[in-house]
Amino acid sequence: GDSVTQMEGPVTLSEEAFLTINCTYTATGYPSLFWYVQYPGEGLQLLLKATKADDKGSNKGFEATYRKETTSFHLEKGSVQVSDSAVYFCALGPAGGYQKVTFGTGTKLQVIP
Amino acid sequence: ETGVTQSPTHLIKTRGQQVTLRCSSQSGHNTVSWYQQALGQGPQFIFQYYREEENGRGNFPPRFSGLQFPNYSSELNVNALELDDSALYLCASSLVQGSYEQYFGPGTRLTVT
Repeated sequence: GDSVTQMEGPVTLSEEAFLTINCTYTATGYPSLFWYVQYPGEGLQLLLKATKADDKGSNKGFEATYRKETTSFHLEKGSVQVSDSAVYFCALGPAGGYQKVTFGTGTKLQVIP
Repeated sequence: ETGVTQSPTHLIKTRGQQVTLRCSSQSGHNTVSWYQQALGQGPQFIFQYYREEENGRGNFPPRFSGLQFPNYSSELNVNALELDDSALYLCASSLVQGSYEQYFGPGTRLTVT
């Protein structure tokens, strides 16, 4: 079945550092890929998405490129801020059928001043 | 535009009891999905409702059941509660067409003692 593997955290960075959170997936067909963010005490918010190979999703300075050849969707940001501290989830939606979204286990990011 | 809302925010139940959680979809969305998020884990898909019928289910026992109403709001019912049912329950709404983009509510924190 479909699955998502993302790097374990927590990841601790200083403000203005470069961020990479790795994500790889296993799925049949051509899934849509997502990054969701969860701030403390809140629900999930969609951060960015990509629906086909080589698409780049971007939002709030975060970027991720859909790489079908490596089945990856790594999240990057050039300069993190304290306000980026949260848990980040990589996820995929199947190419067909009902809209089950499969999530990774999440990576906690802590940015220190 | 009204976002996804869930009630109650927190709930404490005793093992063996039954619980009902409620969700109101984002305006214009006709599909509702429910997820269980255990502490420190990614959300796990429970089931999805479209046009008042269940059209997809994850690996959860029958004591997890749901309803969707004509206004697209939804309920999640859990019978015979077990300690392992303690989790954050997330509701997400979406349009059935499109790129599987789901909008999440803030969740209901259920504690089973």
